[in-house]
Amino acid sequence: GENVEQHPSTLSVQEGDSAVIKCTYSDSASNYFPWYKQELGKRPQLIIDIRSNVGEKKDQRIAVTLNKTAKHFSLHITETQPEDSAVYFCAAKWGGGNKLTFGTGTQLKVEL
Amino acid sequence: DAGVIQSPRHEVTEMGQEVTLRCKPISGHNSLFWYRQTMMRGLELLIYFNNNVPIDDSGMPEDRFSAKMPNASFSTLKIQPSEPRDSAVYFCASSLQTGQNTEAFFGQGTRLTVV
Repeated sequence: GENVEQHPSTLSVQEGDSAVIKCTYSDSASNYFPWYKQELGKRPQLIIDIRSNVGEKKDQRIAVTLNKTAKHFSLHITETQPEDSAVYFCAAKWGGGNKLTFGTGTQLKVEL
Repeated sequence: DAGVIQSPRHEVTEMGQEVTLRCKPISGHNSLFWYRQTMMRGLELLIYFNNNVPIDDSGMPEDRFSAKMPNASFSTLKIQPSEPRDSAVYFCASSLQTGQNTEAFFGQGTRLTVV
Protein backbone atom coordinates (compact mmCIF):
# COMPACT_ATOMS: atom_id res chain seq x y z
CA GLY A 1 0.00 0.00 0.00
CA GLU A 2 0.89 3.67 -0.11
CA ASN A 3 3.38 5.00 2.42
CA VAL A 4 3.89 8.71 2.98
CA GLU A 5 6.83 10.05 4.97
CA GLN A 6 6.92 13.63 6.18
CA HIS A 7 9.77 15.78 7.53
CA PRO A 8 10.44 17.53 9.77
CA SER A 9 8.13 16.57 12.61
CA THR A 10 8.56 19.99 14.20
CA LEU A 11 9.62 23.29 12.67
CA SER A 12 10.16 26.61 14.35
CA VAL A 13 10.70 29.79 12.33
CA GLN A 14 10.77 33.49 12.98
CA GLU A 15 7.88 35.58 11.76
CA GLY A 16 8.53 36.66 8.19
CA ASP A 17 10.83 33.75 7.39
CA SER A 18 9.95 30.91 5.02
CA ALA A 19 8.98 27.40 6.05
CA VAL A 20 9.43 24.25 3.99
CA ILE A 21 7.90 20.85 4.71
CA LYS A 22 8.82 17.81 2.64
CA CYS A 23 7.06 14.54 1.91
CA THR A 24 7.90 11.40 -0.01
CA TYR A 25 5.53 8.74 -1.25
CA SER A 26 6.03 5.17 -2.27
CA ASP A 27 3.38 4.41 -4.91
CA SER A 28 4.34 5.78 -8.31
CA ALA A 29 0.67 5.52 -9.32
CA SER A 30 -0.30 8.24 -6.84
CA ASN A 31 -1.69 11.21 -8.69
CA TYR A 32 -3.17 13.61 -6.14
CA PHE A 33 -1.30 15.34 -3.31
CA PRO A 34 -3.22 17.58 -0.92
CA TRP A 35 -1.92 19.49 2.07
CA TYR A 36 -4.04 19.98 5.17
CA LYS A 37 -3.67 22.41 8.05
CA GLN A 38 -4.92 21.49 11.49
CA GLU A 39 -5.13 24.12 14.18
CA LEU A 40 -5.16 23.03 17.81
CA GLY A 41 -8.36 21.26 18.68
CA LYS A 42 -9.84 21.65 15.22
CA ARG A 43 -10.38 19.56 12.13
CA PRO A 44 -7.86 19.22 9.29
CA GLN A 45 -8.66 21.59 6.43
CA LEU A 46 -7.33 21.62 2.89
CA ILE A 47 -5.04 24.53 2.12
CA ILE A 48 -3.63 23.54 -1.27
CA ASP A 49 -3.39 20.51 -3.52
CA ILE A 50 -1.52 19.44 -6.63
CA ARG A 51 -2.14 16.84 -9.28
CA SER A 52 0.49 14.67 -10.91
CA ASN A 53 0.34 16.49 -14.24
CA VAL A 54 1.51 19.72 -12.59
CA GLY A 55 4.97 20.50 -11.20
CA GLU A 56 4.13 23.53 -9.10
CA LYS A 57 1.13 25.39 -7.79
CA LYS A 58 0.96 28.64 -5.88
CA ASP A 59 -1.72 30.36 -3.85
CA GLN A 60 -0.63 33.66 -2.30
CA ARG A 61 1.98 32.80 0.36
CA ILE A 62 1.64 29.06 -0.09
CA ALA A 63 3.17 26.95 -2.83
CA VAL A 64 3.54 23.25 -3.45
CA THR A 65 6.07 21.55 -5.72
CA LEU A 66 5.99 18.00 -7.03
CA ASN A 67 8.84 15.88 -8.34
CA LYS A 68 7.26 12.72 -9.77
CA THR A 69 10.58 11.15 -10.69
CA ALA A 70 11.87 11.38 -7.15
CA LYS A 71 8.39 10.82 -5.68
CA HIS A 72 8.50 13.76 -3.38
CA PHE A 73 6.52 16.94 -2.89
CA SER A 74 6.98 19.98 -0.70
CA LEU A 75 4.97 22.75 0.91
CA HIS A 76 6.48 26.23 0.97
CA ILE A 77 5.10 29.02 3.14
CA THR A 78 6.64 32.45 2.64
CA GLU A 79 6.43 35.49 4.93
CA THR A 80 5.19 33.34 7.78
CA GLN A 81 2.78 34.82 10.30
CA PRO A 82 1.80 33.68 13.81
CA GLU A 83 -1.54 32.41 12.47
CA ASP A 84 0.38 29.94 10.30
CA SER A 85 1.26 28.06 13.49
CA ALA A 86 -0.48 24.67 13.24
CA VAL A 87 0.11 21.05 12.30
CA TYR A 88 0.46 20.48 8.57
CA PHE A 89 -0.23 17.13 6.93
CA CYS A 90 0.69 16.01 3.47
CA ALA A 91 -1.25 13.23 1.81
CA ALA A 92 -1.22 11.10 -1.31
CA LYS A 93 -4.00 9.41 -3.19
CA TRP A 94 -3.48 6.43 -5.41
CA GLY A 95 -5.05 6.86 -8.82
CA GLY A 96 -6.72 3.47 -8.76
CA GLY A 97 -8.81 4.19 -5.74
CA ASN A 98 -10.01 6.86 -3.37
CA LYS A 99 -7.77 6.06 -0.42
CA LEU A 100 -6.01 9.12 1.00
CA THR A 101 -2.89 8.29 3.00
CA PHE A 102 -1.52 10.98 5.31
CA GLY A 103 1.97 11.79 6.46
CA THR A 104 2.72 11.97 10.17
CA GLY A 105 2.38 15.74 10.35
CA THR A 106 4.66 18.73 10.98
CA GLN A 107 4.12 21.00 13.96
CA LEU A 108 4.96 24.49 12.67
CA LYS A 109 5.55 27.25 15.17
CA VAL A 110 5.99 30.81 14.00
CA GLU A 111 7.67 32.89 16.65
CA LEU A 112 7.40 36.65 17.04
CA ASP B 1 -24.50 22.86 3.90
CA ALA B 2 -23.42 22.39 7.52
CA GLY B 3 -20.48 20.24 6.49
CA VAL B 4 -19.67 16.81 7.84
CA ILE B 5 -21.43 16.32 11.16
CA GLN B 6 -20.14 13.97 13.81
CA SER B 7 -21.61 12.98 17.14
CA PRO B 8 -20.89 12.95 19.94
CA ARG B 9 -18.10 15.53 20.13
CA HIS B 10 -16.75 13.95 23.29
CA GLU B 11 -17.23 10.49 24.72
CA VAL B 12 -15.89 9.12 27.98
CA THR B 13 -16.58 5.48 28.65
CA GLU B 14 -15.36 2.66 30.79
CA MET B 15 -13.26 -0.15 29.45
CA GLY B 16 -15.40 -2.96 28.11
CA GLN B 17 -18.32 -0.77 27.13
CA GLU B 18 -19.63 -0.44 23.59
CA VAL B 19 -19.01 2.86 21.85
CA THR B 20 -20.82 4.10 18.74
CA LEU B 21 -19.62 7.09 16.78
CA ARG B 22 -21.85 8.70 14.19
CA CYS B 23 -21.28 10.63 11.02
CA LYS B 24 -23.43 12.50 8.53
CA PRO B 25 -21.49 13.27 5.34
CA ILE B 26 -22.02 16.30 3.15
CA SER B 27 -25.12 15.84 1.03
CA GLY B 28 -24.24 14.57 -2.44
CA HIS B 29 -20.84 13.19 -1.47
CA ASN B 30 -20.32 9.57 -2.42
CA SER B 31 -17.18 8.69 -0.46
CA LEU B 32 -16.88 8.50 3.31
CA PHE B 33 -13.78 7.93 5.41
CA TRP B 34 -13.14 7.14 9.06
CA TYR B 35 -9.78 8.25 10.47
CA ARG B 36 -8.23 7.88 13.91
CA GLN B 37 -5.78 10.48 15.17
CA THR B 38 -3.28 9.94 17.98
CA MET B 39 -0.03 11.65 18.88
CA MET B 40 1.93 8.49 18.27
CA ARG B 41 0.42 7.35 14.96
CA GLY B 42 -0.95 10.53 13.41
CA LEU B 43 -3.95 10.25 11.08
CA GLU B 44 -4.73 6.64 10.28
CA LEU B 45 -7.36 5.62 7.75
CA LEU B 46 -9.55 2.96 9.32
CA ILE B 47 -12.06 2.33 6.55
CA TYR B 48 -13.64 4.05 3.60
CA PHE B 49 -16.87 3.65 1.67
CA ASN B 50 -17.79 4.44 -1.92
CA ASN B 51 -21.51 4.68 -2.63
CA ASN B 52 -22.22 3.14 0.80
CA VAL B 53 -20.07 0.09 0.07
CA PRO B 54 -16.95 -0.60 2.18
CA ILE B 55 -13.98 -0.54 -0.17
CA ASP B 56 -10.96 -0.83 2.09
CA ASP B 57 -11.10 -1.78 5.76
CA SER B 58 -7.46 -2.80 6.05
CA GLY B 59 -6.90 -0.05 8.58
CA MET B 60 -9.43 -1.38 11.06
CA PRO B 61 -7.22 -2.43 13.95
CA GLU B 62 -9.14 -5.38 15.31
CA ASP B 63 -12.40 -7.25 15.17
CA ARG B 64 -13.58 -5.04 17.99
CA PHE B 65 -13.99 -2.30 15.39
CA SER B 66 -16.82 -2.32 12.88
CA ALA B 67 -18.31 0.30 10.56
CA LYS B 68 -21.53 0.53 8.64
CA MET B 69 -23.07 2.85 6.11
CA PRO B 70 -26.73 1.92 5.74
CA ASN B 71 -27.48 4.86 3.46
CA ALA B 72 -25.80 7.80 1.77
CA SER B 73 -26.40 10.15 4.68
CA PHE B 74 -25.29 8.15 7.69
CA SER B 75 -22.41 6.03 8.93
CA THR B 76 -21.40 4.53 12.26
CA LEU B 77 -18.14 3.32 13.73
CA LYS B 78 -18.57 0.92 16.60
CA ILE B 79 -16.03 -0.35 19.12
CA GLN B 80 -17.05 -3.34 21.20
CA PRO B 81 -15.59 -3.87 23.73
CA SER B 82 -13.65 -0.64 24.11
CA GLU B 83 -10.15 -0.53 25.59
CA PRO B 84 -8.02 2.34 26.96
CA ARG B 85 -5.72 2.17 23.92
CA ASP B 86 -8.70 3.10 21.73
CA SER B 87 -8.59 6.59 23.22
CA ALA B 88 -8.09 9.00 20.32
CA VAL B 89 -9.85 11.55 18.17
CA TYR B 90 -11.94 9.89 15.48
CA PHE B 91 -12.60 11.89 12.34
CA CYS B 92 -15.13 11.25 9.64
CA ALA B 93 -14.54 12.82 6.21
CA SER B 94 -16.46 12.84 2.95
CA SER B 95 -15.72 13.70 -0.65
CA LEU B 96 -17.30 13.61 -4.08
CA GLN B 97 -15.52 11.07 -6.21
CA THR B 98 -16.27 11.83 -9.86
CA GLY B 99 -13.19 10.44 -11.58
CA GLN B 100 -11.09 13.43 -10.63
CA ASN B 101 -9.43 13.71 -7.26
CA THR B 102 -11.28 16.10 -5.01
CA GLU B 103 -11.07 17.53 -1.54
CA ALA B 104 -11.97 15.46 1.50
CA PHE B 105 -13.91 17.48 4.07
CA PHE B 106 -13.47 16.55 7.70
CA GLY B 107 -15.97 16.63 10.51
CA GLN B 108 -15.17 18.17 13.88
CA GLY B 109 -14.14 14.81 15.26
CA THR B 110 -15.14 12.76 18.29
CA ARG B 111 -12.70 12.74 21.17
CA LEU B 112 -12.96 9.30 22.75
CA THR B 113 -11.56 8.56 26.19
CA VAL B 114 -11.71 5.02 27.50
CA VAL B 115 -10.92 4.73 31.20
